[in-house]
Amino acid sequence: EPEVTQTPSHQVTQMGQEVILRCVPISNHLYFYWYRQILGQKVEFLVSFYNNEISEKSEIFDDQFSVERPDGSNFTLKIRSTKLEDSAMYFCASTGGRSYNEQFFGPGTRLTVL
Amino acid sequence: RKEVEQDPGPFNVPEGATVAFNCTYSNSASQSFFWYRQDCRKEPKLLMSVYSSGNEDGRFTAQLNRASQYISLLIRDSKLSDSATYLCVVNMDNAGNMLTFGGGTRLMVKP
Repeated sequence: EPEVTQTPSHQVTQMGQEVILRCVPISNHLYFYWYRQILGQKVEFLVSFYNNEISEKSEIFDDQFSVERPDGSNFTLKIRSTKLEDSAMYFCASTGGRSYNEQFFGPGTRLTVL
Repeated sequence: RKEVEQDPGPFNVPEGATVAFNCTYSNSASQSFFWYRQDCRKEPKLLMSVYSSGNEDGRFTAQLNRASQYISLLIRDSKLSDSATYLCVVNMDNAGNMLTFGGGTRLMVKP
């Protein structure tokens, strides 16, 4: 069964550094998303992406965040200058095809900012 | 503020029990509803979509009451492997297909 994959599984970085989180959505999907979950809290929407542009973004997704689909398979989230409060689990999701509404999540990248 | 509210639990039940979870959502214009399951430190996994007519998948039954803005999940004949956090999830804004998650209800099934 096709799956969303994410790399790395765990990223440790120093405050102020840039990080890029990578995702490979399910191959025939057209809509891509990033969510985050701070430990012990709800899953929160960050951004949705379709047809090479952002469809919607939340208040969390400020100028420090950007997304890109650099090629036909990868979907990336960049955080330019990480803060301590960016420490969280970041999940990529995708949807498309017959089940347009059903989003399938990758295993996540645990980001730790020191 | 657009919210999805759930009882955090935990619900501690014996194997074989029937357990029900409830969820309320604030935006009456919401269009799509889901139950996801999340194991500790893992990704949310889609359990089932919730339709207005109600739907069943094996031991799991989901109901939607649009008038009361209320969603439920019933699990029959609980298994040890059902132990997880159950997330009520609503698409309140079809434009960007953004999902709004509840905080989850934790279920512990004991032998």
